[in-house]
Amino acid sequence: DAGVIQSPRHEVTEMGQEVTLRCKPISGHDYLFWYRQTMMRGLELLIYFNNNVPIDDSGMPEDRFSAKMPNASFSTLKIQPSEPRDSAVYFCASSLVAGVGEQFFGPGTRLTVL
Amino acid sequence: TQLLEQSPQFLSIQEGENLTVYCNSSSVFSSLQWYRQEPGEGPVLLVTVVTGGEVKKLKRLTFQFGDARKDSSLHITAAQPGDTGLYLCAGENSGGSNYKLTFGKGTLLTVNP
Repeated sequence: DAGVIQSPRHEVTEMGQEVTLRCKPISGHDYLFWYRQTMMRGLELLIYFNNNVPIDDSGMPEDRFSAKMPNASFSTLKIQPSEPRDSAVYFCASSLVAGVGEQFFGPGTRLTVL
Repeated sequence: TQLLEQSPQFLSIQEGENLTVYCNSSSVFSSLQWYRQEPGEGPVLLVTVVTGGEVKKLKRLTFQFGDARKDSSLHITAAQPGDTGLYLCAGENSGGSNYKLTFGKGTLLTVNP
């Protein structure tokens, strides 16, 4: 199994541009999570899906952020327009079950907004 | 909002030393997980503890869940350079159908040869 796949691994963009981050979860996993990690705030949950349906998006910072999961094998996190304070490492994770289930993280996308 | 405080934030020790890192909260968690994250990678699960007072051992690592399920500790015996990394604790919200983990900010451990 290839694990959780994220692309791109690195993204550098200018303020105001649209950014799209992509994730392919592990096949068969029903839960998909988007996290953001910064030194100041640590690892924060942005949104998670169960069976492609968004369950909790309370962590999405503002309307500039949106996430979709059109099918069980693909999800996107979009930032439009991007701002310098969005610079962070964004992780996608998937899990087979809720509760005490292990979350498998992708390698992350390091986003830099100039 | 349920918060997890981890301490110390940074720890640098010599190979062979023992260490303990802590994860504390004022909230009760139904379970708690410990992850290790290496530079440029995502966190990887080490252990899940579920029962108050539970102790789990993973080779040289010993994990304990507090009796009240509000805190946890990770003890490493005879640390090795390969133990270097960011150690994160994550608590699962108690009850309800909305499942998510709350992560602490982590303890960055450096083990020097």
